[in-house]
Parts: sequence; structure tokens; C-alpha cells
Amino acid sequence: GENVEQHPSTLSVQEGDSAVIKCTYSDSASNYFPWYKQELGKRPQLIIDIRSNVGEKKDQRIAVTLNKTAKHFSLHITETQPEDSAVYFCASMEYGNKLVFGAGTILRVKS
Amino acid sequence: NAGVTQTPKFQVLKTGQSMTLQCAQDMNHEYMSWYRQDPGMGLRLIHYSVGAGITDQGEVPNGYNVSRSTTEDFPLRLLSAAPSQTSVYFCASSSDRGGVAFFGQGTRLTVV
Repeated sequence: GENVEQHPSTLSVQEGDSAVIKCTYSDSASNYFPWYKQELGKRPQLIIDIRSNVGEKKDQRIAVTLNKTAKHFSLHITETQPEDSAVYFCASMEYGNKLVFGAGTILRVKS
Repeated sequence: NAGVTQTPKFQVLKTGQSMTLQCAQDMNHEYMSWYRQDPGMGLRLIHYSVGAGITDQGEVPNGYNVSRSTTEDFPLRLLSAAPSQTSVYFCASSSDRGGVAFFGQGTRLTVV
């Protein structure tokens, strides 16, 4: 089955700096890669996603890049703000719309 | 439009007790799944369903049962609770293949 690895496990940045979180996946048949943000005590919320026929997608300060050949994808957050502090999860979707998640990255934005 | 609704939000069980976590969605989604979330381990798939009457096991299915008699509901049953099942449980649903997954608000379960 699919395996997703996520790095780093924790990331501290200064407000205004950029943050990058990277994930690798194992199943070359996977074709949908969402990113979720989870605040303490809340449910995971989708922040951006990308499909395998696209190399990059942007939404304001957030972007995701996908390299299908290397089987890795990354989340980029620019101009970080304190409210970006949360746990971020990458995921890869298998048959049956099963999401396989990375272990998560705790992002701390210091003001 | 309520989305994905889970009940209860909190539950404490004694070892050996059984219970059912409820999950309902009103978006007419075909795909539903259950995850458990433990510290440092992300979300792990317990069981999933691709439509009414069809269920299958995920990564960590032992100790749990599911059924999908309707499109809307996907209950998760703990047969004989164990302390190792202390976790936060999330139900999710999505529409067509590769559709965005929407999560319920979660159930925090403690087994003592």
C-alpha cells in the first residue's frame, strides 16, 4: 500500500519568513495530493490540493508543487503569520478515495 | 448543509465495553472513511466504504467493525474496548474519485 513520509516534524519560522514542508509517496498510481491544516482540538481542514496532471498550484500565500517522477510534493507558505501556526498534514489518495497521511508537521510562527 | 456530523464528541469507556461512533453526511457522497489520530502518528485509516453495502479494511482495522446500509451513515463499532483504542476518531466523506475529503468534528475516546 501507499506510504507517505513528511518532513520536518517541527518547523519554527519568524513571522514574515517562508515555510516549506516536504512529502514523498510510494505509489506511482496515486494522483491526488491534498494538504490539511489542523488547529488544536479542531478537525483537519483542506487548505490546498493538487492533481497529478498539474505541477504547481497557488492560492494567495500558499502553493503546492508536485514532482511525479521523483514522487514528492511540497507545501510552500510565504509571508507567514502567527495564525499559520498549526499542524499541517500532507496526504496521498489511493483507490477507494482512501487518504494516506503523513505524520504531520508542527509549524510555529514566532512574532 | 451540515456536512459531516459525528456523535458523540467525547466518550469514556471501561475496558471491555462496546459502543458505536456515529457518522452521518448530507452531501450524498459515495466515499466514507474512518481515521484515528494519535500523537505523532498522523491519521491512520481504520475502515472505508466506496458506497452503500460496500466496506473494506484500512491500515488499522483490528477491534473495529463498520457497516454501510445507507449512503448517509457510516457507524464505527468498537467490539470490546481496550486502552490502546484511546484516540481521536475522525469520519470523512468525499464525492467522486479523487474528490475533496470533508471531515467530521471528531470524537475523543478514552478507554480506562
